[in-house]
Amino acid sequence: DAKTTQPTSMDCAEGRAANLPCNHSTISGNEYVYWYRQIHSQGPQYIIHGLKNNETNEMASLIITEDRKSSTLILPHATLRDTAVYYCTTYNQGGKLIFGQGTELSVKP
Amino acid sequence: NAGVTQTPKFQVLKTGQSMTLQCAQDMNHNSMYWYRQDPGMGLRLIYYSASEGTTDKGEVPNGYNVSRLNKREFSLRLESAAPSQTSVYFCASSEMGSGAGVSPPQHFGDGTRLSIL
Repeated sequence: DAKTTQPTSMDCAEGRAANLPCNHSTISGNEYVYWYRQIHSQGPQYIIHGLKNNETNEMASLIITEDRKSSTLILPHATLRDTAVYYCTTYNQGGKLIFGQGTELSVKP
Repeated sequence: NAGVTQTPKFQVLKTGQSMTLQCAQDMNHNSMYWYRQDPGMGLRLIYYSASEGTTDKGEVPNGYNVSRLNKREFSLRLESAAPSQTSVYFCASSEMGSGAGVSPPQHFGDGTRLSIL
């Protein structure tokens, strides 16, 4: 099963881009990378997922390196409401999400 | 726009008591999941139901039982609660995976905060 590694915490100024890195060096060729976030006292919220091409939706962009060993979630214009724990996840061989400890992003005014 | 609804939101139990946590989804999803989240940790899968009529163990199933009552509802039961089961419990649902390395995103409820004294 692929293991993901993320920094424990990050700060970002309001209005600036937040770039959240994730290492997944053991990911296999057909495993997607998924990003979720969890705002305090709420359930996790799906953000985006990708395989090898960069992806963008209304919430964020996902940049995956060509060797697929790492990825970066980009929140282009962070707001205070983006303060949350961000999880970079993959599915294990049993098809189940594996959540690590995530990155606690603090967006500051 | 209810999505995934969990009841109750909060509960305090005494050691040895039993309880059932309820979960319902209105998105016509085939798959449903139960997770627990302990302070400072990520989510750990307790049980899941890939489709109506099936259930399987996840990472931490000991001390729990589940019932997939119908397509909408998936309940989690603690037969004899222990302090180690104090946690926040999340239910989630998703469409059934199509294989080929991709699984559909999961949609989560807002959790049940359970304390066992």
